[in-house]
Amino acid sequence: EAGVAQSPRYKIIEKRQSVAFWCNPISGHATLYWYQQILGQGPKLLIQFQNNGVVDDSQLPKDRFSAERLKGVDSTLKIQPAKLEDSAVYLCASSLAGQGGQPQHFGDGTRLSIL
Amino acid sequence: AQTVTQSQPEMSVQEAETVTLSCTYDTSESNYYLFWYKQPPSRQMILVIRQEAYKQQNATENRFSVNFQKAAKSFSLKISDSQLGDTAMYFCAFLKQGAQKLVFGQGTRLTINP
Repeated sequence: EAGVAQSPRYKIIEKRQSVAFWCNPISGHATLYWYQQILGQGPKLLIQFQNNGVVDDSQLPKDRFSAERLKGVDSTLKIQPAKLEDSAVYLCASSLAGQGGQPQHFGDGTRLSIL
Repeated sequence: AQTVTQSQPEMSVQEAETVTLSCTYDTSESNYYLFWYKQPPSRQMILVIRQEAYKQQNATENRFSVNFQKAAKSFSLKISDSQLGDTAMYFCAFLKQGAQKLVFGQGTRLTINP
């Protein structure tokens, strides 16, 4: 079974520029998550999709962050304009739908550095 | 809101020793799930073990086992016969029944020395 695929692996941009990350979940996983992990901390959920609908985006800074999951498969997360505090690893995860405590499977993440 | 606390920022043991990582959580829920994830320098979060709160039996996965104390809201991870490849950040995480939002602790950096 192929895992969660993310790209790019690293990205360096200057503040105020824009950046986009891509995620392809495990086949058949209806639920997709984007997390932000700041150095030395645990991941923080930014947005959760169920198929192509948003379930939870309460911690997404909507003035600069946006995400979409067209057709309920791949997803992109965009930051525009980037700030210094956005430097972090952005993790994508997916899981089967359902209420039974399905484990989330994570990609390798994208390390974003803002200069 | 649920919170997860890992009180040991760093731990270090010798290869082949046994090590226990601590995790406590705060919730008013009675049905939930608890997880331990491992994050090596490669950054990928890898599921180590999963516990269902309604099960009294502690989960085990090969060298990894948990001590789940529901009344004390404690969920520690024991790694037996530790190996160099166990070196990683370890995160404890909480999932409420019926929800899909994981709440993570701050992590414990574990180093296994040769």
